Amino acid sequence: QVQLQESGPGLVKPSETLSLTCTVSGGSISSFYWSWIRQPPGKGLEWVAYSSNSGSTNYNPSLKSRVTISLDTSKNQLSLKVTFVTAADTAVYYCARGTAAVAGLAVYWGQGTPVTVSS
Amino acid sequence: EIVLTQSPATLSLSPGERATLSCRASQSIGGDLAWYQQKPGQAPRLLIFDASNRATGIPARFSGSGSGTDFTLTISTLEPEDFALYYCQQRRLWPWTFGLGTKVDIK
Repeated sequence: QVQLQESGPGLVKPSETLSLTCTVSGGSISSFYWSWIRQPPGKGLEWVAYSSNSGSTNYNPSLKSRVTISLDTSKNQLSLKVTFVTAADTAVYYCARGTAAVAGLAVYWGQGTPVTVSS
Repeated sequence: EIVLTQSPATLSLSPGERATLSCRASQSIGGDLAWYQQKPGQAPRLLIFDASNRATGIPARFSGSGSGTDFTLTISTLEPEDFALYYCQQRRLWPWTFGLGTKVDIK
């Protein structure tokens, strides 16, 4: 059974860089699509970024060029960096695994890690 | 980006009743629509993909239909564990987007 576990700093100051990690167990990080999805408090879901196993990536234009997603196959981890954070980046961040062939589906989810941007 | 409009915002029903949730897309998305269920404090769970295919382990009382711009999630007979928030999501055009959700609560 695939399990995903996010980890992060919890609290980040405005204008700093947010770094999140998702550790995958019960399966290889290879051969699937991987995503980060976030949910601001009391609000809906926003697809932040995704990466294929081949390394192709795509980012939500709402975050412009502040976001980077990467895969580390040696550690079976994916990560997300968000630069120059503001209060609008406060959210629960989920990592999710898709399928091998289809992008845009979140089949397995981590439990989420809450991030608050505040001074 | 494609906007998904879900209705109603809240659906108040009793266990044993039938629930019908709607999702309308701002442009045609073919059959590239999924439905997720989310309970308080939990991550969403994939229920339906490609408009009408149940994900692994999802009970048969959940069904999806529709194509183009209009989609429906039906729960044939509500069980106590089905009272939750439901989101639709499109994967036709990046960025993939979610609707704002329909809350199914106990009447």
